[in-house]
Amino acid sequence: ETGVTQTPRHLVMGMTNKKSLKCEQHLGHNAMYWYKQSAKKPLELMFVYNFKEQTENNSVPSRFSPECPNSSHLFLHLHTLQPEDSALYLCASSQDLTELRGGYTFGSGTRLTVV
Amino acid sequence: KNEVEQSPQNLTAQEGEFITINCSYSVGISALHWLQQHPGGGIVSLFMLSSGKKKHGRLIATINIQEKHSSLHITASHPRDSAVYICAVRDRNTGNQFYFGTGTSLTVIP
Repeated sequence: ETGVTQTPRHLVMGMTNKKSLKCEQHLGHNAMYWYKQSAKKPLELMFVYNFKEQTENNSVPSRFSPECPNSSHLFLHLHTLQPEDSALYLCASSQDLTELRGGYTFGSGTRLTVV
Repeated sequence: KNEVEQSPQNLTAQEGEFITINCSYSVGISALHWLQQHPGGGIVSLFMLSSGKKKHGRLIATINIQEKHSSLHITASHPRDSAVYICAVRDRNTGNQFYFGTGTSLTVIP
């Protein structure tokens, strides 16, 4: 266990469903991130939150909606996804955006399949 | 072309062998990360480098800023080292932008 917990580990959803991915860390980190990892492709940064404020949205479609109610929790709300959105979604956290202390900690990911 | 290139893409080694994975990048960076991803998907951060060399147990990471190149070495490899190793760089000119390599899949055979 890395200290960053993601739930669920696996999710199968239909294209008309609404679901949410959850990420939780109690490492005292102030920055949290959502990444997407598709087969045979590099990790893609989706969203960055720093002290609960979104600082980066990497041109992510609106069917992905992040929420960060506090520095310990990060959600990714999913709505009317496409099969090509099937991927591993990884959450990460760091002390701050500069990474000068401690680097990154990743969660184990949620394996999402859209049918 | 990806900003981060890793080689080799796949690597099979006998237990005990010395392993080197290479990473080349094309942007000016503030930091370079080596990450390890096991088959279950979880990622562990192995090293964060901005210069020189770091060592942790059997793992050694080096970086040459002038040549824009980093290497990850594993000494006395073991089957439990089998994983995908990912190089990632933080672009110093664009703040939070990270670029990731596609990873090197390592299999260590007993």
